Amino acid sequence: DAGVIQSPRHEVTEMGQEVTLRCKPISGHNSLFWYRQTMMRGLELLIYFNNNVPIDDSGMPEDRFSAKMPNASFSTLKIQPSEPRDSAVYFCASSLLAGVSHNEQFFGPGTRLTVL
Amino acid sequence: GQQVMQIPQYQHVQEGEDFTTYCNSSTTLSNIQWYKQRPGGHPVFLIQLVKSGEVKKQKRLTFQFGEAKKNSSLHITATQTTDVGTYFCAGNRYSTLTFGKGTMLLVSP
Repeated sequence: DAGVIQSPRHEVTEMGQEVTLRCKPISGHNSLFWYRQTMMRGLELLIYFNNNVPIDDSGMPEDRFSAKMPNASFSTLKIQPSEPRDSAVYFCASSLLAGVSHNEQFFGPGTRLTVL
Repeated sequence: GQQVMQIPQYQHVQEGEDFTTYCNSSTTLSNIQWYKQRPGGHPVFLIQLVKSGEVKKQKRLTFQFGEAKKNSSLHITATQTTDVGTYFCAGNRYSTLTFGKGTMLLVSP
């Protein structure tokens, strides 16, 4: 298995532009997570899907952020319009939720986003 | 909501010294996970603790889960430069996994 795949690995854009980050989870995993990591705020959970359904989006900063999971093998995180304070590394992770307990999370390599 | 606190935020040791990071949850956990993130990398799963009072070892790393299942620790004996990175705990409660802020470990040769 190739692990969790994220694209692009690096994104540099200008303020006001739309940014779309993509994630392919590990086959067979039923949970998918989007995280944002910065030096100041650490690793923050943005949104969590289970069986393609958003379960907890309380971490999504504001309406400029949206996430979708149209099927079990693909998810997107969109920022529109982007702002310089959105600059961060965005990680996607997947896991297998067994009952009410998550097994280990497998993280993708991350997308380093820079908004100028 | 559930909170997971980790201390210290940062520690700088000489190679060969021991290192410990502590994790405390505001609520009782069903289990706790530990991850390591190397500089420039992504978090990688190390271990999961489930039982009250559980102790697990991985070579020089010792993981403990408190009796009340609200705290945990990771102890590294005789650190090596390869131990450099940020160590995160993540508390699992009902279907929510909450990460601590992490402890950044720097090891000088």
